[in-house]
Formats: sequence, structure tokens, C-alpha cells
Amino acid sequence: KQEVTQIPAALSVPEGENLVLNCSFTDSAIYNLQWFRQDPGKGLTSLLLIQSSQREQTSGRLNASLDKSSGRSTLYIAASQPGDSATYLCAPPASNSGYALNFGKGTSLLVTP
Amino acid sequence: GAGVSQSPSNKVTEKGKDVELRCDPISGHTALYWYRQRLGQGLEFLIYFQGNSAPDKSGLPSDRFSAERTGESVSTLTIQRTQQEDSAVYLCASSLWGRGTGELFFGEGSRLTVL
Repeated sequence: KQEVTQIPAALSVPEGENLVLNCSFTDSAIYNLQWFRQDPGKGLTSLLLIQSSQREQTSGRLNASLDKSSGRSTLYIAASQPGDSATYLCAPPASNSGYALNFGKGTSLLVTP
Repeated sequence: GAGVSQSPSNKVTEKGKDVELRCDPISGHTALYWYRQRLGQGLEFLIYFQGNSAPDKSGLPSDRFSAERTGESVSTLTIQRTQQEDSAVYLCASSLWGRGTGELFFGEGSRLTVL
């Protein structure tokens, strides 16, 4: 079974800081890896999808990297804003079947004004 | 519609009753997934549909849980004889391609409370 670990579990930063969220997974035989954000009481919003052939993917102030060989992905958020406050989840597909995304427990981010 | 739609958004039921939760995926998306999120917990995979077939039902927690998909569109998750431990947010997601290769888009979820 694909095990996903996200570090840190929680993070509080002042507005304007650059920050890095870490994700590690146990099975590197993945097609892709997706990053999501979840706001309280809401569903998940897709942020970035990195294909296994890519090393980086960028969207606005977000940059995600993928190192399959080491089983790691990082999400870099530049110039953080209070609106970035949410839980961030990484999700590589399940190993062996490739059907379902396995989710980490997420990093809870609070950006203070 | 433009996104994944789920109904009802909230459901309160008594222990022992049956409930049905509905998911309307993004038009044209062949893959559909159901997940469950208990309060303060991570997402648990329940079932995956490719078209109208369910090649992976490994996450369904008991035989009280079942799901179907018709017309390669709408899916219904049914929970029979609900128990308090079934209380959770049930999330549906769809993607253009299956087998974990496509980008997943989630609905807002159906919050189930079993009294």
C-alpha cells in the first residue's frame, strides 16, 4: 500500500514569507502526483498535477517538484498571503493498482496578516 | 455542469436507516471515485468506477456500503442500516482518464450525520 507522509503537520507564518511543504511516499512507481488544498468544511481544490516525466510544475505563486527516485515531492509557496491558509494535501496514486489516489494527512497552513 | 456536483450537501439520519448520496461528475469524465473523510481524519478511498464498471471496490468498509454508476455519468453511494461510525463527509471526484492518470476534481461533499 502506498504510504504518504507530509511534513510539517502544521505551519504558521507571517504574511509575505516563502514556504516549503514536504511530501514523501513509499512506492515510486507512480504515473503522477497531485497537490490539493482543502478549506474548512469544503471539498478539495486541485492545485497542481505533476506527471512522472516532469520534475517541476508551476502555477502562479505555487511550484511543485517531484523526485520519483527518492519518493519525494515539495510544494513551494512564494510570498504567502492570508488567503493561502488551508490544509494542503499531496496524493500519489496507490501502488500496484494505480486506481486510487492515496492521501497524506496534510499540512495545515495558517498565514497571519 | 462546470464541476462535480454532490447531493445532499447535508444529511442527518437515525441509526439503522438507509441513505443514498448522489454524485454528478464533470461531463465526459470516464473515471469516478468516492472517498470518505471522518472528522479530523484523512481521506479514505472507497470505490473507483471506470465507465459504469467498478474495477476497485477495495475501500468499501462493509457490505452495508454499495455504489453504482449509470450512463457513465451519475453515481449513487448507498449505505444501509447506518451506524454512528458512518458519520463523515463523503467526497466524490471525477477525472477524464482513469487508472490514476488523470487530474482529479472533487465535489463539495455530502456531510452525513448518524444520530
